[in-house]
Amino acid sequence: GAVVSQHPSRVICKSGTSVKIECRSLDFQATTMFWYRQFPKQSLMLMATSNEGSKATYEQGVEKDKFLINHASLTLSTLTVTSAHPEDSSFYICSVSLGGEQYFGPGTRLTVT
Amino acid sequence: GENVEQHPSTLSVQEGDSAVIKCTYSDSASNYFPWYKQELGKGPQLIIDIRSNVGEKKDQRIAVTLNKTAKHFSLHITETQPEDSAVYFCAASRQGGSEKLVFGKGTKLTVNP
Repeated sequence: GAVVSQHPSRVICKSGTSVKIECRSLDFQATTMFWYRQFPKQSLMLMATSNEGSKATYEQGVEKDKFLINHASLTLSTLTVTSAHPEDSSFYICSVSLGGEQYFGPGTRLTVT
Repeated sequence: GENVEQHPSTLSVQEGDSAVIKCTYSDSASNYFPWYKQELGKGPQLIIDIRSNVGEKKDQRIAVTLNKTAKHFSLHITETQPEDSAVYFCAASRQGGSEKLVFGKGTKLTVNP
């Protein structure tokens, strides 16, 4: 069965607005979650590592003030894209580590108009 | 940092034939190598993984081999079926699923009936 859920699956927002994406681990506690971004026909690129109870660790080149990550509980991490622009349109996918393996959520398709 | 190269970028086979996808990595400290299958519009699905203390692992029609000396690993799919058609990604990590994954660029596999 599914290990990770994401909400929403699709979202369309206007340029300049903010949008929040939720990532939930199902039936287990995840102290660490990962956020990836995938542009069309490209590979997955890690954006940040989300740690429960502490600040997220961002990859080089990812603006922490634009992509706000909050890991408020052991089952929920949120990614907020602030002041979204069309170039932020992408497929955002979270993952969790379980049993030494990494499992991905179904992804969120963000379209900024 | 780690760099993962994946070949080929596209692969077309006839149903029943075998498919082989190859990846190389650069960081000798990497010790975990998962393979993911991604269908259109969905999140990546873990199909098999291998750790550096093992040279080969098999799960029904899927097998993965690892050559630590040469720093390369391969995915082998036998008796391919149309439902195997998808994009396959290899990845590498230093500490299993508990640390970030560095992905290859992906291979689009098409199995023709």
